[in-house]
Amino acid sequence: EVQLVESGGGLVQPGGSLRLSCTASGFTFSNYWMSWVRQAPGKGLEWVANIKEDGSDKYYVDSVRGRFTISRDNAENSLSLQMNSLRVEDTAVYYCVSNTWKNLESWGQGTVVTVSS
Amino acid sequence: DVVMTQSPLSLPVTLGQPASISCRSGQSLVYSDGNTYLNWFLQRPGQSPRRLIYKVSNRDSGVPDRFSGSGSGTDFTLKISRVEAEDVGVYYCMQGTHWPYTFGQGTKLEIK
Repeated sequence: EVQLVESGGGLVQPGGSLRLSCTASGFTFSNYWMSWVRQAPGKGLEWVANIKEDGSDKYYVDSVRGRFTISRDNAENSLSLQMNSLRVEDTAVYYCVSNTWKNLESWGQGTVVTVSS
Repeated sequence: DVVMTQSPLSLPVTLGQPASISCRSGQSLVYSDGNTYLNWFLQRPGQSPRRLIYKVSNRDSGVPDRFSGSGSGTDFTLKISRVEAEDVGVYYCMQGTHWPYTFGQGTKLEIK
């Protein structure tokens, strides 16, 4: 059974930093692209970033490019999202999602990030 | 960015009746490899999204066959042949053909 478990969310002030982590199990992690998708309170879904199987390619939505960095450790079956210069509008539930090529697949339960003073 | 437009945004349905959700994209979702990367997800209340359909019409494992996806180019549809109580939630279409991936606004299905 595929399991994706996110951690690292919390309350942070505007301009601050946070690092999210996702631990994967139940599938061959190194064979999958991985994504982060977020959902602001009461809103829809927004894809944030993804990373190729071997970490060689990374893509970001414009609103986070230059502030967020996605990375992975295939030896540890883990995915990370380093979030810097956080803004109020980054407040959301952040989901770790496995991808096959251009298809989002399995989702974690999410971790809550709140950016507020 | 490719805009994905769903309709309706609210869908009250009687149990056992059919339901249909439309998803239109701002440009063709046919990729250079010939595939169309259009997915459908259901987010039940208080839960994470779950994929139902990938590449327009392929049902995921464990998804009941009352769910079907169809369409091509810029125009896509998710149909539920007979709505059951467990189908309540918000349905999202998502395109993966163009960067960045984008989602529709969501369609909230409720039981009348």
